[in-house]
Amino acid sequence: AQTVTQSQPEMSVQEAETVTLSCTYDTSESDYYLFWYKQPPSRQMILVIRQEAYKQQNATENRFSVNFQKAAKSFSLKISDSQLGDAAMYFCAYRSPLSGTYKYIFGTGTRLKVLA
Amino acid sequence: NAGVTQTPKFQVLKTGQSMTLQCAQDMNHEYMSWYRQDPGMGLRLIHYSVGAGITDQGEVPNGYNVSRSTTEDFPLRLLSAAPSQTSVYFCASSKTSGGASGELFFGEGSRLTVL
Repeated sequence: AQTVTQSQPEMSVQEAETVTLSCTYDTSESDYYLFWYKQPPSRQMILVIRQEAYKQQNATENRFSVNFQKAAKSFSLKISDSQLGDAAMYFCAYRSPLSGTYKYIFGTGTRLKVLA
Repeated sequence: NAGVTQTPKFQVLKTGQSMTLQCAQDMNHEYMSWYRQDPGMGLRLIHYSVGAGITDQGEVPNGYNVSRSTTEDFPLRLLSAAPSQTSVYFCASSKTSGGASGELFFGEGSRLTVL
């Protein structure tokens, strides 16, 4: 069974600095989707970035980028120029693309604090 | 743009009571699911559905029931509430056809307390 591990329960970053959140996963599949979701204090889950495993190029969305290392099964999220609004819980998630298999596996989350 | 709508947002129950969490989506998504979120445990899948009339169990299905009579609605029923079911519940949906990327769209969550 697939698993997703986020080994950092909590991280802190100074405003305007860069921070990297770690995520590792375990799977025997060769193709799959990976996601980072943000959960601010409002509780609403928001998609930050997604990566398809067959794409070698790392996904980027404005100040958010990933370092996808398929062989190492690692999917870290880098937040550049951190802002106070980035403070939130961040969840890494895995999904198999196989037809009929739509289970999403989430990590336990990393709470990011942004210091002014 | 309603997206995924969950009700109620807050609920307090006594042990043994039953209740239904409602979830509706207006995006014509085939996939719908329920998660519970507990501190330090992330989101755990309770039940999911890939279309009307089709449901399946997730990681923590015990004590919960679901049905999917329409594409839009996916209610979650607590049959006999227990304190262990105190949690925040999320409904989420996704498109599965047409080369969709599989992004999950979430409701705002429902905080349930069982006394």
